[in-house]
Amino acid sequence: DAKTTQPNSMESNEEEPVHLPCNHSTISGTDYIHWYRQLPSQGPEYVIHGLTSNVNNRMASLAIAEDRKSSTLILHRATLRDAAVYYCILRDQNNAGNMLTFGGGTRLMVKP
Amino acid sequence: GAGVSQSPSNKVTEKGKDVELRCDPISGHTALYWYRQSLGQGLEFLIYFQGNSAPDKSGLPSDRFSAERTGGSVSTLTIQRTQQEDSAVYLCASSLGAVLGTEAFFGQGTRLTVV
Repeated sequence: DAKTTQPNSMESNEEEPVHLPCNHSTISGTDYIHWYRQLPSQGPEYVIHGLTSNVNNRMASLAIAEDRKSSTLILHRATLRDAAVYYCILRDQNNAGNMLTFGGGTRLMVKP
Repeated sequence: GAGVSQSPSNKVTEKGKDVELRCDPISGHTALYWYRQSLGQGLEFLIYFQGNSAPDKSGLPSDRFSAERTGGSVSTLTIQRTQQEDSAVYLCASSLGAVLGTEAFFGQGTRLTVV
């Protein structure tokens, strides 16, 4: 399976934008890029996903590089509640055994 | 409707005893996943069910671990002869399917402590 690389941790100030990078240089043409986050003492929750085009939803934006070898999750205004571990995951739409494979993720710390 | 429900939320058991952890997925979700997360660690895949297909058991750490899914709905993860290293949070997730950009919904987990 194609793997992703993320920084171990990042810091942000409250109410400032946050850009969380993810490298996936071995991504295949059928891989979707998914982002999940895990708040303290909770199960992971879905944030956003995309294939080729940039995506926006109420939680975040996903910017995907033209060659799809990297992507960036954008939180437009970080709040203290956004402090979590953010996971970038590739899911192959053609793979019937399509479990989510979680890497180490990026621990985002938000300072007031 | 309700999300993914797991029970019990906490379980303390003695070393050597068997435990059963239950997962109620979202109604209509054909895919169901079990993961575990040790303290301060990432998520470790255990087993995956998709519809009527044979489950993917490639993540089960030993033959003490087994899981079943009855009627394509409720799933039970069983750990026999528990060991202290089995202590972790066991997370269940479900999704509509395992293709395209389907979102997986996670339960709150069962915190298992083996003493």
